[in-house]
Amino acid sequence: GAVVSQHPSWVICKSGTSVKIECRSLDFQATTMFWYRQFPKQSLMLMATSNEGSKATYEQGVEKDKFLINHASLTLSTLTVTSAHPEDSSFYICSAPRDGYSPLHFGNGTRLTVT
Amino acid sequence: ELKVEQNPLFLSMQEGKNYTIYCNYSTTSDRLYWYRQDPGKSLESLFVLLSNGAVKQEGRLMASLDTKARLSTLHITAAVHDLSATYFCAALRDSGYALNFGKGTSLLVTP
Repeated sequence: GAVVSQHPSWVICKSGTSVKIECRSLDFQATTMFWYRQFPKQSLMLMATSNEGSKATYEQGVEKDKFLINHASLTLSTLTVTSAHPEDSSFYICSAPRDGYSPLHFGNGTRLTVT
Repeated sequence: ELKVEQNPLFLSMQEGKNYTIYCNYSTTSDRLYWYRQDPGKSLESLFVLLSNGAVKQEGRLMASLDTKARLSTLHITAAVHDLSATYFCAALRDSGYALNFGKGTSLLVTP
């Protein structure tokens, strides 16, 4: 069964509003989680590394004030897209490593549409 | 910077045929992953390759890793329509568990 849960699966919002996406590790603790973004028919690009109890590490070119990441517990990381615009419409996927060798587990993704 | 290149990007093949998808990466990486993605879905883990010479097989798919050549392959044997999907390889960055992905191979298996 799923080991990483992501919610919501899809969301439609209006320009200027904020959207929060949750990523939970279900039966293990994850001090680190990752947020990826995937545009249609493109690959996944790492946005940021979420670190439990400390600030997230953002990839170059990713606006940290627009994509707020909070990793307040060992099983939950949240990504908030602030003041969303249509160009933020994308598929957002989180992942969490369970241990040093098993495949990195991905959430089911969140499809964000900003109108 | 770790770059991951996949080819081909598009592949149309007939059922019953064999083919190989190639994945090159630019710098040393400890692990190589293969994922499958169906339209509108997230990633399904296929293989994780941990060491040079590693070979893993599951059904009609077989993955291998040559760390000296920085090359991984995903071989499809006797393709069936159900294998139609996009396949991604991803290499582990040198710190933590972040992945750099290839651009993906969109596979279409036709009768």
